[in-house]
Amino acid sequence: AQTVTQSQPEMSVQEAETVTLSCTYDTSENNYYLFWYKQPPSRQMILVIRQEAYKQQNATENRFSVNFQKAAKSFSLKISDSQLGDTAMYFCAFGGSGGSNYKLTFGKGTLLTVNP
Amino acid sequence: KAGVTQTPRYLIKTRGQQVTLSCSPISGHRSVSWYQQTPGQGLQFLFEYFSETQRNKGNFPGRFSGRQFSNSRSEMNVSTLELGDSALYLCASSQGGGTRRSEQFFGPGTRLTVL
Repeated sequence: AQTVTQSQPEMSVQEAETVTLSCTYDTSENNYYLFWYKQPPSRQMILVIRQEAYKQQNATENRFSVNFQKAAKSFSLKISDSQLGDTAMYFCAFGGSGGSNYKLTFGKGTLLTVNP
Repeated sequence: KAGVTQTPRYLIKTRGQQVTLSCSPISGHRSVSWYQQTPGQGLQFLFEYFSETQRNKGNFPGRFSGRQFSNSRSEMNVSTLELGDSALYLCASSQGGGTRRSEQFFGPGTRLTVL
């Protein structure tokens, strides 16, 4: 079974600064997908960024980028130029290959607060 | 396109009762997954349906069941409710099929309180 660990329960950052959220996972699979989801207070969870394990290039989406280290089973999220709207719970998630990709395993989450 | 909708948004039940939650996926999406979110256990996968068939199942007791209709709408049922079933139940829809279409879009959730 896969496990996902987020070692930082809470983090804070000043507006406009950069912050990195950590995530490690354990799996015996070779082909899989990794995701970062954002859940703002009392709002719906939305996908921030995804990474296919077979791709060596790190995914980027505007101010969001990942550092994917497959051998170390590490998948960190970097948020640049932090904005107040980035305040949310961030979840790292693992999805296996094939049909099991729809069975996501989530970490416990990191509560990020962006301070003005 | 309308997003994933879940009804009801809030529900209060008492121990021993049963409850049915509904999820309408994004139009064209054929896969619906259900998750339970609690402060203690976090987000846990319940089950996933694709084309009216349960394709994946999490480690929950048989009191938790679900189904999917031909229009891809899904329902989950919890029988003999326990206090520990109090949670936010999230539904997520996806196009289904190959893994490249596996991005899951979440609904707002149903907040279930068991008294």
